[in-house]
Amino acid sequence: NAGVTQTPKFQVLKTGQSMTLQCAQDMNHEYMSWYRQDPGMGLRLIHYSVGAGITDQGEVPNGYNVSRSTTEDFPLRLLSAAPSQTSVYFCASRNGYRQYFGPGTRLTVT
Amino acid sequence: TQLLEQSPQFLSIQEGENLTVYCNSSSVFSSLQWYRQEPGEGPVLLVTVVTGGEVKKLKRLTFQFGDARKDSSLHITAAQPGDTGLYLCAGPPHTSGTYKYIFGTGTRLKVLA
Repeated sequence: NAGVTQTPKFQVLKTGQSMTLQCAQDMNHEYMSWYRQDPGMGLRLIHYSVGAGITDQGEVPNGYNVSRSTTEDFPLRLLSAAPSQTSVYFCASRNGYRQYFGPGTRLTVT
Repeated sequence: TQLLEQSPQFLSIQEGENLTVYCNSSSVFSSLQWYRQEPGEGPVLLVTVVTGGEVKKLKRLTFQFGDARKDSSLHITAAQPGDTGLYLCAGPPHTSGTYKYIFGTGTRLKVLA
């Protein structure tokens, strides 16, 4: 099993550009989520999904869109990147209490 | 805003010493989890505590959930260099159901050989 995979590992964007961070899991988990991690602030929930076709906002959803067309995939879209979105992004999937994180995407917006 | 505050923020100790990390909130949590994160990687789940007063042991690590489910602690006995990392507590506030996890600010531990 690959677990939770994320691509790309690193990305540099210019302000105003758009991009999609990819996340996939092969554990057939219904629950998936996106977090961002900033220095001194721990992880903050951006969006989450409890199954295909169902998404909801977390603590810091502004500037991000998500969709969940399959159980396996949960992409995160930045429509117009801003320097405040410079961060490390983690995708996670969960089954009950067992939560698994991907390796992260380090995004820099200049 | 519901917060999980961890203390200390940083801890540097010698191999063999004991340490305790605290995770505190003014809110009640349905459960609390502890993770360890190493540089360049995602957090890895260590344990989940669910019942107030619960104590779980994982080799040299002891986890406790407060009676009122507002706080938790992680105690490491005889720390080893392999314990070095960022320790995070996390959980769903009781008022948020089980979907929205809050993470603590983290404790960065360094164990010197």
